[in-house]
Amino acid sequence: NAGVTQTPKFQVLKTGQSMTLQCAQDMNHEYMSWYRQDPGMGLRLIHYSVGAGITDQGEVPNGYNVSRSTTEDFPLRLLSAAPSQTSVYFCASSYNRVGETQYFGPGTRLLVL
Amino acid sequence: QQQVKQSPQSLIVQKGGISIINCAYENTAFDYFPWYQQFPGKGPALLIAIRPDVSEKKEGRFTISFNKSAKQFSLHIMDSQPGDSATYFCAAKQHTRYIFGTGTRLKVLA
Repeated sequence: NAGVTQTPKFQVLKTGQSMTLQCAQDMNHEYMSWYRQDPGMGLRLIHYSVGAGITDQGEVPNGYNVSRSTTEDFPLRLLSAAPSQTSVYFCASSYNRVGETQYFGPGTRLLVL
Repeated sequence: QQQVKQSPQSLIVQKGGISIINCAYENTAFDYFPWYQQFPGKGPALLIAIRPDVSEKKEGRFTISFNKSAKQFSLHIMDSQPGDSATYFCAAKQHTRYIFGTGTRLKVLA
């Protein structure tokens, strides 16, 4: 199993540009989520999904869109990038049961100029 | 709104010493409390976790102590090693949402 994969590893955007961060998992996990990690802020939940076709907002959803058309993929879209979205983004997945381990991807480092 | 408060922000421990990281929460509906370890440039990885009906869980050198009445839980790393130097995050889960603490950067001196 490849686990949770994320692409790209690093991206530089200009303010106002849009892009999609890709996330895929091959463990047949129902639950997938996106976090952003900023210094001193820990990991903050952006959006999450409990299955194909089902998504919901987390703590900091503004400026981001998600969709879940398949169990495997959970892309995160930045509609109009802003410098405040400069961060490291992590995707995670798990089975949707209490006590199940949440597996994180390697992260995407995003710089918005 | 930070629902899980973690302390200290950073910690320096001598090799062989005990590292202790504390977390406090407010929401009594949380039903799962994992700790994650993160090395630079990597994603967090689950270290150990506990459910609120258990007061302590031990896995090797790592122990979680859980105090439900005080709404606090802590990670103890016994016989700390330089390889334990990393950032540690506590978290709490309610239904499908995880809330993370702000992290503790641990450095173990050789």
